Amino acid sequence: DAGVIQSPRHEVTEMGQEVTLRCKPISGHDYLFWYRQTMMRGLELLIYFNNNVPIDDSGMPEDRFSAKMPNASFSTLKIQPSEPRDSAVYFCASSLRGNNEQFFGPGTRLTVL
Amino acid sequence: QQQVKQSPQSLIVQKGGIPIINCAYENTAFDYFPWYQQFPGKGPALLIAIRPDVSEKKEGRFTISFNKSAKQFSLHIMDSQPGDSATYFCAASIASNQFYFGTGTSLTVIP
Repeated sequence: DAGVIQSPRHEVTEMGQEVTLRCKPISGHDYLFWYRQTMMRGLELLIYFNNNVPIDDSGMPEDRFSAKMPNASFSTLKIQPSEPRDSAVYFCASSLRGNNEQFFGPGTRLTVL
Repeated sequence: QQQVKQSPQSLIVQKGGIPIINCAYENTAFDYFPWYQQFPGKGPALLIAIRPDVSEKKEGRFTISFNKSAKQFSLHIMDSQPGDSATYFCAASIASNQFYFGTGTSLTVIP
């Protein structure tokens, strides 16, 4: 099993640009989570999906952030326009209903200049 | 509002020592308390977890102690090794898959 796959692993962009982060969950998992990790705030849940449907997006910081899950094997997190304060590591995780363990991807380190 | 409060922020111990990381929560509806371990450049990975119907759980050198009345739980690492150097996160959830994570503890085990 390849685990949760995220791309790109590193992204450097300039303020105002659109950024798209991608995630492929573990096959068969029906929950998908997007987290942001910073030194100041630790791991923050941004949004999570169940069976491709967004369940709770209360953690999405601003309207500049949006997430989609068009099918069971793919999700995107988009930031438009990006700002320097969005610089962080973004993790995607997936889990299987009935099993509380979340499996995290390797993360995308985003730097907005 | 931080649902789960974790301390200390960082910890340095000698090899063989027993680092202890503490977490506290307020919501008594939480029913699942995992600890995740994260190495640099990697995503967090489940280390050990406990439910509130038991007061202690051991897996190898890792032990969770759970105090339901105090709404606190802690991670103990017995005979710590340099390879245990990592960031540790506690978390809590309510019957769903939504986790509330602590802010993390950076552990360094000195050889």
